[in-house]
Amino acid sequence: SAVISQKPSRDICQRGTSLTIQCQVDSQVTMMFWYRQQPGQSLTLIATANQGSEATYESGFVIDKFPISRPNLTFSTLTVSNLSPEDSSIYLCSVLGLPKNIQYFGAGTRLSVL
Amino acid sequence: DAKTTQPNSMESNEEEPVHLPCNHSTISGTDYIHWYRQLPSQGPEYVIHGLTSNVNNRMASLAIAEDRKSSTLILHRATLRDAAVYYCILRDRDGGGAQKLVFGQGTRLTINP
Repeated sequence: SAVISQKPSRDICQRGTSLTIQCQVDSQVTMMFWYRQQPGQSLTLIATANQGSEATYESGFVIDKFPISRPNLTFSTLTVSNLSPEDSSIYLCSVLGLPKNIQYFGAGTRLSVL
Repeated sequence: DAKTTQPNSMESNEEEPVHLPCNHSTISGTDYIHWYRQLPSQGPEYVIHGLTSNVNNRMASLAIAEDRKSSTLILHRATLRDAAVYYCILRDRDGGGAQKLVFGQGTRLTINP
């Protein structure tokens, strides 16, 4: 199994600012993912964080709005830029654990934008 | 990604079995059937997965139809802690770019005391 630590667990931000979310895993993993969960909704994949290269974004998500870093095999950050109230969501980090291809999730970061 | 269809909500009583259905009529031969659940205020957690045969683990059982177009997650004796949203997801066995999990709306399970 993989233990994921996400920071911060919650934050309240002003419109126009940015928030950077950190994701730390207790073991080296090849694949890390970032999801968004809007209020009352299911999870939507934002991007796959690739170590040593640019993240792969899903349709509807762009690097300028959601820049991602992946400096090593245990750590990644997601920045949500130029915040608006529509960005108020839970953001979750996830990793793929081997060998059983089970995906593990952090507890999430609850973001509220005023 | 192949799609799954689940009921929006289900309700059951504590200490009774629960059968959560999932339809996946367009499943391909290399798709695994995964189940995850999301407890209130937590990230999703893995429950079980299978390819063709029925599977059992300490959390649940997975019954897969012979034609693989549907499956059922079975909680043998539900407790209040099993109240969660349950997601049935197809994932390609061969991986690559399809390693990502794509979530549908899931089934919200309510357990009555």
